[in-house]
Amino acid sequence: ILNVEQSPQSLHVQEGDSTNFTCSFPSSNFYALHWYRWETAKSPEALFVMTLNGDEKKKGRISATLNTKEGYSYLYIKGSQPEDSATYLCALVRGSNYQLIWGAGTKLIIKP
Amino acid sequence: NAGVTQTPKFQVLKTGQSMTLQCAQDMNHEYMSWYRQDPGMGLRLIHYSVGAGITDQGEVPNGYNVSRSTTEDFPLRLLSAAPSQTSVYFCATRVRGDGNTIYFGEGSWLTVV
Repeated sequence: ILNVEQSPQSLHVQEGDSTNFTCSFPSSNFYALHWYRWETAKSPEALFVMTLNGDEKKKGRISATLNTKEGYSYLYIKGSQPEDSATYLCALVRGSNYQLIWGAGTKLIIKP
Repeated sequence: NAGVTQTPKFQVLKTGQSMTLQCAQDMNHEYMSWYRQDPGMGLRLIHYSVGAGITDQGEVPNGYNVSRSTTEDFPLRLLSAAPSQTSVYFCATRVRGDGNTIYFGEGSWLTVV
């Protein structure tokens, strides 16, 4: 059974602080890694699709890095704002048939 | 451009009842799928379709049926609801030309009592 692990499960961060969390995955047969942001009662929205070892992607205050050799990706949020409160999901893609294996998510709560 | 539209958003069912969750997309994506989200677990694939007339089982297909008669619509049928099917259900589409980005509906909260 392949597991994609996200840590921590939940995180409380003071507004203005920076934070990061981890997605760990088995590194064999890596094809791609997805990050999504999900606010309850809304559609999960895509943040990043990462494919290359050493990839670093950025979208505003959010950035992500990828290490396919050791099997992890970090998501960073700089200067957290209340609107960053959400669950952040990662999903591993193994092989070109593109079936995704999802982590359970990291729930981020920003305290004003 | 509505994207992926799911209905209903909330539903309470009695054990043994059947119902259909509707999913429609206006992006002309070939790939559509249904997931369920349970607390403490990752999204789990129920059924998927790579095009009209083609469906296949995912990780947790038991108790669910799908059909894909058009590119736009991909309904999910619960045949005889059980409390274990209490979950949040997401319909999603994907297209290769967009980095394989997945587009989700807003979710359907289903409670089976």
